[in-house]
Amino acid sequence: DIVLTQSPPLAVSLEQRATISCKTSQNVDNYGISYMHWYQQKPGQQPKLLIYEGSNLASGIPARFSGSGSGTDFTLTIDPVEADDIATYYCQQNKDYPYTFGPGTKLELK
Amino acid sequence: QVQLQQSGTELVKPASSVKISCKASGYTFTSNYMHWIRQQPGNGLEWIGWIYPGNGNTKYNQKFDGKATLTADKSSSTAYMQLSSLTSEDSAVYFCARSLRRVEDWFAYWGQGTLVTVSS
Repeated sequence: DIVLTQSPPLAVSLEQRATISCKTSQNVDNYGISYMHWYQQKPGQQPKLLIYEGSNLASGIPARFSGSGSGTDFTLTIDPVEADDIATYYCQQNKDYPYTFGPGTKLELK
Repeated sequence: QVQLQQSGTELVKPASSVKISCKASGYTFTSNYMHWIRQQPGNGLEWIGWIYPGNGNTKYNQKFDGKATLTADKSSSTAYMQLSSLTSEDSAVYFCARSLRRVEDWFAYWGQGTLVTVSS
């Protein structure tokens, strides 16, 4: 299985930048596409897609969210952080079966 | 718009089975892959498998082989997941999620989740 490792819980101040990393145990790129996606989950809610294929902003997601990276190293950036962004963020790969998620990174306010 | 409406909370006894549903609307049910994902209390997300309602084809995470069975009813645009031989380890929230078009696409749409609690 491809194992995803995320950065630890992060405390940030409003209007600052938050950077969350996701490292994979195997390359999740194929023919120039990164099969890496990011989701936001708030307590009691379903996950919501933020970024697909490494760097593409999902429909309706504010431009303060961005994704970057390739291969085995990926980053989700929120700049600037707003109060509504307090949540847990998950990366997920679907290059190979079984599809796997990272353990999540909880974003908190400093 | 695409909506996935899941069935309600289940309280079930150990060693029993449960079948939860995910009713789809706003798109062609038979033309898109439906995935199921588990989230145990306080834990992260695990992919269980997918079903293609158009032909009933399925793919499972080996971890859930024998535990989960995915089916779909085209007439009611509803996907089902049956969980068998339940233990406390199966207590979790279960989500259905639709990938955008291809099976390897991201999970673009999610149901609200179904809480299953296994307790005597």
